[in-house]
Amino acid sequence: NAGVTQTPKFRVLKTGQSMTLLCAQDMNHEYMYWYRQDPGMGLRLIHYSVGEGTTAKGEVPDGYNVSRLKKQNFLLGLESAAPSQTSVYFCASSGVRGKNIQYFGAGDFGAGTRLSVL
Amino acid sequence: GENVEQHPSTLSVQEGDSAVIKCTYSDSASNYFPWYKQELGKRPQLIIDIRSNVGEKKDQRIAVTLNKTAKHFSLHITETQPEDSAVYFCAASDGYGNKLVFGAGTILRVKS
Repeated sequence: NAGVTQTPKFRVLKTGQSMTLLCAQDMNHEYMYWYRQDPGMGLRLIHYSVGEGTTAKGEVPDGYNVSRLKKQNFLLGLESAAPSQTSVYFCASSGVRGKNIQYFGAGDFGAGTRLSVL
Repeated sequence: GENVEQHPSTLSVQEGDSAVIKCTYSDSASNYFPWYKQELGKRPQLIIDIRSNVGEKKDQRIAVTLNKTAKHFSLHITETQPEDSAVYFCAASDGYGNKLVFGAGTILRVKS
């Protein structure tokens, strides 16, 4: 299993440009998440999905959109990038086993995307 | 919603000493509490977790304790080694079990 794969790994944007970050998982996980990580602020949840075709807002959703058209993919879009969106973005996934007990595996984070907006 | 506070923000220990990181949470319905280790430039990696029906869990040199009444949980690392140096994050599930809320992280430095 490849686990959670994020593309791209690095990207530089100019203010106002748009881009899409792709997250793919091959563990048949139900839940997928997008986090951003800024120095001294830990991991903050942007959006998440509890299943194919569903999405929900996290702590810091403004300026981002997401889609989960296929169970294995979770896309994060920036329609008009701003310097405040300079960050490291992590995707994660988790599954459900037995009586709806969610579990988070050791390999459930992607390697991250380092985004700079100039 | 859930709020997780983590202390201390930085911790320096001598090699061989113990390290303790503490977290408090606000949602009494939270039932899952993982700890992640993140090395510089790498992804967070799950190192240990505990569910609300257990008070303590140990895995070699690391252990986690949970006090549901006080709504706090702690990570204990014994016999620290230089390779334990990293940022450690605690997290708590929200009341619905759909997502995790993370603490701000603790930078652990183990001096040799």
